[in-house]
Formats: sequence, structure tokens, C-alpha cells
Amino acid sequence: DGGITQSPKYLFRKEGQNVTLSCEQNLNHDAMYWYRQDPGQGLRLIYYSQIVNDFQKGDIAEGYSVSREKKESFPLTVTSAQKNPTAFYLCASSIAAGGGTEAFFGQGTRLTVV
Amino acid sequence: GNSVTQMEGPVTLSEEAFLTINCTYTATGYPSLFWYVQYPGEGLQLLLKATKADDKGSNKGFEATYRKETTSFHLEKGSVQVSDSAVYFCALGNFNKFYFGSGTKLNVKP
Repeated sequence: DGGITQSPKYLFRKEGQNVTLSCEQNLNHDAMYWYRQDPGQGLRLIYYSQIVNDFQKGDIAEGYSVSREKKESFPLTVTSAQKNPTAFYLCASSIAAGGGTEAFFGQGTRLTVV
Repeated sequence: GNSVTQMEGPVTLSEEAFLTINCTYTATGYPSLFWYVQYPGEGLQLLLKATKADDKGSNKGFEATYRKETTSFHLEKGSVQVSDSAVYFCALGNFNKFYFGSGTKLNVKP
């Protein structure tokens, strides 16, 4: 089945550690996105990528980094510079960035700082 | 700029009641509009979409019409079920990005 796979589903991080969230898609989509969701709130865009080896900052990029070395993969690293990383992280992809095509979402990774 | 505003929740209804969740948007150009649904602990699933003015998106009894004159995309369902309890997000897609409303939680009581 085609889709987007995020792993792990739950992740615990100690203060001062970097952690990397995985996102893989087999939909052959060009565009990929990372969103952060806090309880009772909407989605805020962290980073997005329209093509391989290119990505842009979203609205809340500080304390995060990404790479897009392969079309199917868009990992997100939450660095120690992110002061409040506890949140639900969602990865998405679309055929082309924006336009008339919808975004497809993974099942999310819940990150907790312990 | 681009933004989406949707009614705050929670919305609590009895089974078989009529549902409306209001959504208005601000956009440049000609955006596409979407409704997504999120169940607890899961990602977002596309519920329906409309890509141009006056289009009506529909799925599983839910409907929404793209109204350019009122910049709205209100979600409606004639008879809700307990299984419709979830959080609903209105969204627009424009140029390189998607923009989401803050979500409306729907509780349906038997």
C-alpha cells in the first residue's frame, strides 16, 4: 500500500539531546512537509521541500533542521536549541507543492521531553 | 496573505442532528480548499476538497461548497453519527503551501 510512514510513533528525549524523526513516502510525491501540532491547536509549518536537495523554512523553523537527499525521505531533527519540543509532529506529502492537490499525512510522532 | 479561520469548538450534538462547521479564508490567487478529519492520536485524513469556485466537495455524507463571494467553505452533514466524533480542520492550498485552521472538535452523543 502506498502511503507515508513516520517513525517512531512515540519518542522520548532528554534535555539537551538532538533527536531525529523519520518520514518516508512511497507515493512518488515531489513535495514534503513537517508540521507541529500542540494540544487543542492547529498545525504550524516547520519546513517544507518541493524537490530533492532543496527545502525552505516554514513559520517555526528555529530549533529544527531537515534534509532531503532522497525523494522518498524527509527526516526532521529536533535540536537542543528547540526550547519546547514536546508536541505531536506530522509529516505530509503532495504530488506538487500546493495547487489543486491535497496533502497526505503520516500517523504522527509524539515527542516528549523527559 | 493566506489564512483560514474556523469556528471554535467543541461542538456537541446528539446523534442524527444537523452539523455545520463554519470556515472562512483569506487568500491570494485561486486556492484549493480542503476539509480534513483527525481521530485521537492519528494523522489527518482528507475528508473532501474543492478546487475552484462553486465546486461542491462531498464524502461520507459530508458536504462543503467553495463560495468565492463569501470566501467560505462551510462543512455540513445532515445526520451525524457517534462515529463522526473527531477534530475537523479546514485548509487551503495555494502556491507552495497548505494553511490550516485551528480545528473544531465535534462530540456526538448517542
